[in-house]
Amino acid sequence: SQQGEEDPQALSIQEGENATMNCSYKTSINNLQWYRQNSGRGLVHLILIRSNEREKHSGRLRVTLDTSKKSSSLLITASRAADTASYFCATDAGANSKLTFGKGITLSVRP
Amino acid sequence: EAGVVQSPRYKIIEKKQPVAFWCNPISGHNTLYWYRQNLGQGPELLIRYENEEAVDDSQLPKDRFSAERLKGVDSTLKIQPAELGDSAVYLCASSSTWWARNPSEAFFGQGTRLTVV
Repeated sequence: SQQGEEDPQALSIQEGENATMNCSYKTSINNLQWYRQNSGRGLVHLILIRSNEREKHSGRLRVTLDTSKKSSSLLITASRAADTASYFCATDAGANSKLTFGKGITLSVRP
Repeated sequence: EAGVVQSPRYKIIEKKQPVAFWCNPISGHNTLYWYRQNLGQGPELLIRYENEEAVDDSQLPKDRFSAERLKGVDSTLKIQPAELGDSAVYLCASSSTWWARNPSEAFFGQGTRLTVV
């Protein structure tokens, strides 16, 4: 089963614009992670936010976490064509820290 | 430092045939995951190892799938016999710890794309 549900399923923006992607989950978590996957490749870790954190930055990435709403958002600022990829949120939950992925968001950045 | 290495990259087999995938995790990573990813979907966990122990195999179809992690390093995932519905990308990942108080990112291999015909 997949706990995380990303929204929207697909997003198309112009280079230079900001991209906002959302993730909702169902159960309490230890942390939430965002990954990127380029076509035909493995997943690459982008950023991790712990359950006691509300916001985190890494370069052009900003992630927020609202545990009361069981949701997270990933913001990519000043997008580039190279940001075109699928983005997944993954929740680390329970005593066994099972990493569970959502279905992903397809981001297309037009040059 | 080398990342997670998987082989083969691609495999085409006929249904009912056996197939095996191999994974070499990052040196020193005690946690190893096998995921299956269907087209347009997110990865779904098949099995997770802590060193040589399988600590979560609840999603592994045990009638046809098996896995092992010898000496807590390399791992193999086997399907016997393969079915048409097994066509997917099989991803291996490793991390340094699954411990909740010290969470760690997972590093993924390139995956093995399996096609069952």
